[in-house]
Order: sequence, then C-alpha cells, then structure tokens
Amino acid sequence: NAGVTQTPKFQVLKTGQSMTLQCAQDMNHEYMSWYRQDPGMGLRLIHYSVGAGITDQGEVPNGYNVSRSTTEDFPLRLLSAAPSQTSVYFCASSYGGGGTEAFFGQGTRLTVV
Amino acid sequence: AQKITQTQPGMFVQEKEAVTLDCTYDTSDPSYGLFWYKQPSSGEMIFLIYQGSYDQQNATEGRYSLNFQKARKSANLVISASQLGDSAMYFCAMREGSTQGGSEKLVFGKGTKLTVNP
Repeated sequence: NAGVTQTPKFQVLKTGQSMTLQCAQDMNHEYMSWYRQDPGMGLRLIHYSVGAGITDQGEVPNGYNVSRSTTEDFPLRLLSAAPSQTSVYFCASSYGGGGTEAFFGQGTRLTVV
Repeated sequence: AQKITQTQPGMFVQEKEAVTLDCTYDTSDPSYGLFWYKQPSSGEMIFLIYQGSYDQQNATEGRYSLNFQKARKSANLVISASQLGDSAMYFCAMREGSTQGGSEKLVFGKGTKLTVNP
C-alpha cells in the first residue's frame, strides 16, 4: 500500500500566486486532515474532513480552502500565497473505531517568496 | 491555554539508557486519546503509541511505554534501552471526543528533541 501520498514534496511560490497541494490515501479512511508545521510550533490543524462531502475548519484555516469529493482525495488550496504560509504541510488520514492513529504523508515543504 | 504541554525542548540520553519525555494535557472531555509520534530528521511522522482515556493499563509497544497518570493529566513517554536511531523530535498529541471516532483533529505539543549519545 502507498498509504498517504502528498504532492509535490517541495514548492516555491511567489506572493499572490495560488496552488493546490494534493493528498491521496489508498486505505479507505473516512477521516482526513491537513496540518502545518512551523519551527517551534508543533503541528497545527488547518482543515479536516470526516467523510466525502464534509469538511470543517481547524485552528488555522485562513487563506486555505479544502474540498472532499471522494474518499481518497483531500486537496488543500492556497488562494493567494503569503510569506506567512511558508511552512511544511502534512496530510493525514485515519479510520474510526477507537484508538486509531493518524497516518501521515511525507509532507510538502512550501516556500513563499 | 495550551492543551498539550511538552516542557522539555531538548533531552540528552546515553545509548542503552532509558529516557522519559514529559507530556501534560488539558481537557474537560472524559473521552480522549493520547498519541506519541516520532519525527526523525528526514521529516516523516511515525506513530509510536496510543493511550485511551478509559484504558486501565498503561500502553506498551516494544521499547516504548506510556506512563499515564490520569489524575495528574500526564502521559509521559518512556523509551527503554535507547538507540542511536531514537534521536529525533517527539510529539505528544491528543484527540478529544468519543474514542470511537477517527483522529482527524489532533492537537500537538511543541515537541521534544531527543539526542542519543554513543
């Protein structure tokens, strides 16, 4: 199994550009999330989804959009990139049933100049 | 207020010794789960161990054990017989709400950087 796959692994954007970070999982997990990791801050939740067609905001949603049209995919869209969005982005997925850990993708390192 | 507090920015341990990484949490929800993840320098997040709020016994997974003290709201990770490959960042995380749900809303601490010396 591939698990959780994020693309791209690295990206440089100019301020004001838009882009989509892709996330796909092949484990048929209902639950998916996007986090950002900044130095000294740990991981913070951006958006999450509890199933296809259902999304909600996390702790730091401003400047990001998500949609979940299929169980497998959960793309994260940056609407107008800002230097403050320079970060490492992680996608994660999990299934329900108690005691179930989140499986993480390899991360996308994004730099906004 | 922080929901997950890891008070040790950095820890050092000699190879083959045991080390405890601290984690305290704050929640008023009776149902919650606690996780530890390892992040090596390569960047991936590796799940280590899980403790549910209703679990009667401390969780163990190989060389990892979780010292769960519910009244004190602490969930410390104990690594026995440290190895050089244990050098990494370690994150404590919490999921609030029903333990039957998924882990889509984890709250993370800021992490502890563990260095294992030969």
